[in-house]
Parts: sequence; structure tokens; C-alpha cells
Amino acid sequence: GAGVSQSPSNKVTEKGKDVELRCDPISGHTALYWYRQSLGQGLEFLIYFQGNSAPDKSGLPSDRFSAERTGGSVSTLTIQRTQQEDSAVYLCASSVTRTYNEQFFGPGTRLTVL
Amino acid sequence: GENVEQHPSTLSVQEGDSAVIKCTYSDSASNYFPWYKQELGKRPQLIIDIRSNVGEKKDQRIAVTLNKTAKHFSLHITETQPEDSAVYFCAASIASGGSNYKLTFGKGTLLTVNP
Repeated sequence: GAGVSQSPSNKVTEKGKDVELRCDPISGHTALYWYRQSLGQGLEFLIYFQGNSAPDKSGLPSDRFSAERTGGSVSTLTIQRTQQEDSAVYLCASSVTRTYNEQFFGPGTRLTVL
Repeated sequence: GENVEQHPSTLSVQEGDSAVIKCTYSDSASNYFPWYKQELGKRPQLIIDIRSNVGEKKDQRIAVTLNKTAKHFSLHITETQPEDSAVYFCAASIASGGSNYKLTFGKGTLLTVNP
């Protein structure tokens, strides 16, 4: 079946602009995660959605970052007033809801803030 | 919160040799430790994982060991091949109830296997 998809694959924006990144999880996966991967760094957790529960936003680096998940499926990560330090690859992952479940990653969106 | 340290940051081996990557974690409540492989320009993919109730797990040329007392775990790749060249990430999480929750990743190891 289809894996996790993300769009756009690349996004170049100017400092101060808002951007929206989209994630389509694997059908039937109730858990959805956003991570950020900066150059030469590991993956940094941003936010986690689990079913209808309130999301865990503990990894969001500032209030310029927000995310929503509509209908328990597609998720959008929004970055307002982008800064150069926001430049990174933003990865989305999804999983089924059970203990010890594998997280399947999407291809990522490479964001460049000029 | 959890902190995961990974070493070395780069590793170069000759084809056929073994490669070992080590990680330590800080939160004793962590009980799930996956390893991801990321080839250049591609998404991370799970290659092996281990739960805290076992000390070792093998899958063909790949093995992972876990020392809960010392809070460290390692990835072992034997008989390395050029296609093993990639960045490897270790991770830790607390798995309970219905989900393994968020992963805390190490910074990655760039493995280069020279033919």
C-alpha cells in the first residue's frame, strides 16, 4: 500500500513569510508525529497526535509553530513568520496504535528560509 | 526529558569488516530502542529494534545489544557491504499503553563501507 506522503518536497521562502507543510499518513494509522532534521543533526521531535486525544506539543520550538490534524488523517504543520534557523527537513511519521509500534516516515519537506 | 548520545559520528570500514555504533540514554523509564537507517536523500527506515525485556536481538548480519543497568545499547553490523553505507540513528522511547510515543534520536553515525 501507499506509504506516508508529504508535500511539498521542497519549499523556499523568504524570512517573515508563513509556510504550511502537509502530511498524509498511512491509511488506518492513528498516531502521527512531526520531526525536524537539521543539517548534520538527528531528528528532533516536534508534535504527536494520537487519535482524538489532545496532541503533545512539547517539542514545538516556539509559538510560531503549530500543527493540526483534521479528521484523524491529514496533518498540516504551519510555521509563521519564518526565520533562517527554521531551515531544515521536516519529517512526518505515522504508526498504528499499539505498544512497540514502528514509526513509518515520509520523504520529508526540505524548507529553506532565505 | 530523555537524552540520547551516539558515537561515533563517522565510521569508515573496509568491506567485510564489522561495524559497531554505540548509544547511551538518560531516562531509565525508556523501554523501546529502534535503529533507523537513512540513505542519502531518503527517508529513515527501521532496520531493527529491541525492547527492554531482552538483552540481544539478531537479524541476519545485524544485531543490537542492550544493557539496561548501564543505559546503553549498540548496533553491530557484520560482514559489511557497500550498500550498508548510510547514516544510522539510534532512538529511545517509553512504550506503554497504546503507543510507543515519541522517539528521542541520537545525532546519527555516517557509516562508509569501502570496497
